[in-house]
Amino acid sequence: KQEVTQIPAALSVPEGENLVLNCSFTDSAIYNLQWFRQDPGKGLTSLLLIQSSQREQTSGRLNASLDKSSGRSTLYIAASQPGDSATYLCAVGVVKAAGNKLTFGGGTRVLVKP
Amino acid sequence: DTGVSQDPRHKITKRGQNVTFRCDPISEHNRLYWYRQTLGQGPEFLTYFQNEAQLEKSRLLSDRFSAERPKGSFSTLEIQRTEQGDSAMYLCASSSPETRGEQYFGPGTRLTVT
Repeated sequence: KQEVTQIPAALSVPEGENLVLNCSFTDSAIYNLQWFRQDPGKGLTSLLLIQSSQREQTSGRLNASLDKSSGRSTLYIAASQPGDSATYLCAVGVVKAAGNKLTFGGGTRVLVKP
Repeated sequence: DTGVSQDPRHKITKRGQNVTFRCDPISEHNRLYWYRQTLGQGPEFLTYFQNEAQLEKSRLLSDRFSAERPKGSFSTLEIQRTEQGDSAMYLCASSSPETRGEQYFGPGTRLTVT
């Protein structure tokens, strides 16, 4: 059974500092890995999708890496801003039948202080 | 592209009542997923559809839960005889082969059972 862990559960940094968020998973037989942002009481916003054949993906200030063999992914957010304050979730997908069921970590709650 | 929509956004019900939620996926997406998220946790997979076929159900989906997608477009999730433990955010997501497994989430329905 796939298990996904995100440590730390919460993180507080001053504005301008780079953020490093960690995600680990137990089964390396994944189809893809997706990083999401969630604001309080809201749905999930997709940030980055990494296919199992890829090592990293970049979008603006965001960069996500994937190391399947060690079961790890890292999300880097450069030059953090107060607007980056949110919960960040990673989810791994495993193709089964015709779908791609996601297994989520518990999230890292980020606070960027002005 | 209007995104995934869910209705209602909030539902308060008394224990023992039945509730039904609706999800409208992105129009060209043939895959639809339901997840449940309790406070402070990551979402957990409930079930998914490809077109109108329900292809997988989690063990979390007890006999009191039923999901349908009758015409392969919108989906409904019904909970019968609600219990306080059903209080959670119910999230819907959609995808298609063209999204290469990337799932797009709706805003969620917050259920409170009193």
